[in-house]
Amino acid sequence: AQSVTQLGSHVSVSEGALVLLRCNYSSSVPPYLFWYVQYPNQGLQLLLKYTSAATLVKGINGFEAEFKKSETSFHLTKPSAHMSDAAEYFCAVSEGSNDYKLSFGAGTTVTVRA
Amino acid sequence: DAGVTQSPTHLIKTRGQHVTLRCSPISGHKSVSWYQQVLGQGPQFIFQYYEKEERGRGNFPDRFSARQFPNYSSELNVNALLLGDSALYLCASSSYAGDSGNTIYFGEGSWLTVV
Repeated sequence: AQSVTQLGSHVSVSEGALVLLRCNYSSSVPPYLFWYVQYPNQGLQLLLKYTSAATLVKGINGFEAEFKKSETSFHLTKPSAHMSDAAEYFCAVSEGSNDYKLSFGAGTTVTVRA
Repeated sequence: DAGVTQSPTHLIKTRGQHVTLRCSPISGHKSVSWYQQVLGQGPQFIFQYYEKEERGRGNFPDRFSARQFPNYSSELNVNALLLGDSALYLCASSSYAGDSGNTIYFGEGSWLTVV
């Protein structure tokens, strides 16, 4: 069975500063990994996904994530935070392309200080 | 193209009542999944349907049931509502994408409040 741990339930950054959100996974098979963003009172929007191609994945809104098998990690970064990045971010894992079930982490809330 | 659409967006029910939530997947997607998101937590998998057959079920009681119709739309039904069923219910659709892996797209959700 797969699972995800997100380190840090809240992250506060200054506008223009680096955003780093941590995600570690456990999976019995090579995983598919996802980052989703949820703005207040909205559904989930896909930021990016890793599917065993390139280990550095670029997503929307300037976000990227790096898959590190040796560390079982899939951390999300953005070089320069913008006020519009304030939201909740979820890391999720599925076990392969035929598995439509996602297991989510508990989420990290990002606040951006002016 | 329309994304995943869900209805209703908000509803309030009384304990013991029944609720039906509806979902239309993205055109061409044959898989629909349902997730429950309790305030302050990550979404939890409830059901997945593919080609109108149940493919997976999460750790939810039998009060929760779902079905998928020939047009791939889906309903989630919850009987005998409890206060703890208050949550955002998310529908997601996807299509098999081979080695590139499936991408799962979510709707805006249905907010259920049980009083």
